[in-house]
Amino acid sequence: NAGVTQTPKFQVLKTGQSMTLQCAQDMNHEYMSWYRQDPGMGLRLIHYSVGAGITDQGEVPNGYNVSRSTTEDFPLRLLSAAPSQTSVYFCASSYSTSGGDTQYFGPGTRLTVL
Amino acid sequence: SQQGEEDPQALSIQEGENATMNCSYKTSINNLQWYRQNSGRGLVHLILIRSNEREKHSGRLRVTLDTSKKSSSLLITASRAADTASYFCATDARAGFQKLVFGTGTRLLVSP
Repeated sequence: NAGVTQTPKFQVLKTGQSMTLQCAQDMNHEYMSWYRQDPGMGLRLIHYSVGAGITDQGEVPNGYNVSRSTTEDFPLRLLSAAPSQTSVYFCASSYSTSGGDTQYFGPGTRLTVL
Repeated sequence: SQQGEEDPQALSIQEGENATMNCSYKTSINNLQWYRQNSGRGLVHLILIRSNEREKHSGRLRVTLDTSKKSSSLLITASRAADTASYFCATDARAGFQKLVFGTGTRLLVSP
């Protein structure tokens, strides 16, 4: 199993540009989520999904969109990039949707917005 | 908002010593988990402790949970240089799905 994969590893955008961060998992996990990690802080939840076709907002959803058309893929879209979105983005998945389960993390995407 | 606060923010020890990190949280929880993050990498799950458990062991790791004080501690015994990493606690609240709220982390440096 490849686990959770993310592409790209690094990305530089200009303010106002849009892009999609890709996330895929091959473990047949129902729960997938996106976090951002800023210096000196823990991870903050952006959006999550409990199955194909079902998504919901986390703690910091503004400026981001998600969709979940398949169990495997959970892309994160930045609609109009802003410097405040400079961060490291992590995708994670778990089998259980009801809590108390290990989350498996991807390697991260380091995004810089100029 | 951050649920968990780790203490200390940074810890520097020698190989062979024990490392203790603490996590305090604000609201009632179902479970508390500890994760490790090596520099520039994703997080790796270490251990999960449920709200009805007080202590759990996994290899050189020992986790305690005191729900009355809303706090947890992670003890790494006989530290190795390879334990150098940041350590985060994460909680999930009683209601809802697998929504983890992470603390701010403890940076551990283990010197040979």
